[in-house]
Amino acid sequence: DTGVSQDPRHKITKRGQNVTFRCDPISEHNRLYWYRQTLGQGPEFLTYFQNEAQLEKSRLLSDRFSAERPKGSFSTLEIQRTEQGDSAMYLCASSLELVGETQYFGPGTRLLVL
Amino acid sequence: AQTVTQSQPEMSVQEAETVTLSCTYDTSESDYYLFWYKQPPSRQMILVIRQEAYKQQNATENRFSVNFQKAAKSFSLKISDSQLGDAAMYFCAYRIPYGGATNKLIFGTGTLLAVQP
Repeated sequence: DTGVSQDPRHKITKRGQNVTFRCDPISEHNRLYWYRQTLGQGPEFLTYFQNEAQLEKSRLLSDRFSAERPKGSFSTLEIQRTEQGDSAMYLCASSLELVGETQYFGPGTRLLVL
Repeated sequence: AQTVTQSQPEMSVQEAETVTLSCTYDTSESDYYLFWYKQPPSRQMILVIRQEAYKQQNATENRFSVNFQKAAKSFSLKISDSQLGDAAMYFCAYRIPYGGATNKLIFGTGTLLAVQP
């Protein structure tokens, strides 16, 4: 069990550019979540996958955001035409489909949009 | 809508002392889960303790215990024998059971705990 990993850990981009983040969940976990955390706030839910199916999306996930999990393993989160308001920590979590499941978090990708 | 409130933005405790972090929540559900997560500076969030709402017994994990008051919708975390490594942001979180309308965690705004040597 190597834990949830995320890449990159830090990303600086200019407004209007596209960025893509990757999350590798714990190997046997079939559920994967993306959250966004801004300074001084708790994480806010963005989207959730069960295997390769995206089953839930937050209203926070505007049409500039897209997430995929093509083979039910790793996931990518892409932000198109970044805005300064997108600056945040993007957290990925995974869990195993069980009653009372616990979500295990990765280290996050910190995005700064200039 | 479910909400989680942490009314203490910052707390401080002396090493080896006990500290209690507060959390209240609002829900119309009768069955749910409550969590305390710890987020050390520049490090990833880890689970501290979990409580199932249908269990009357308060959860305990070593030096960490909770006081779960379902009727009052209160879920506080007690840290005994505080250590320097306990310094972190602590988040209270809520979710409904698997199979419900959503699988997301709902977080409070966090309490920053400082441990003084």
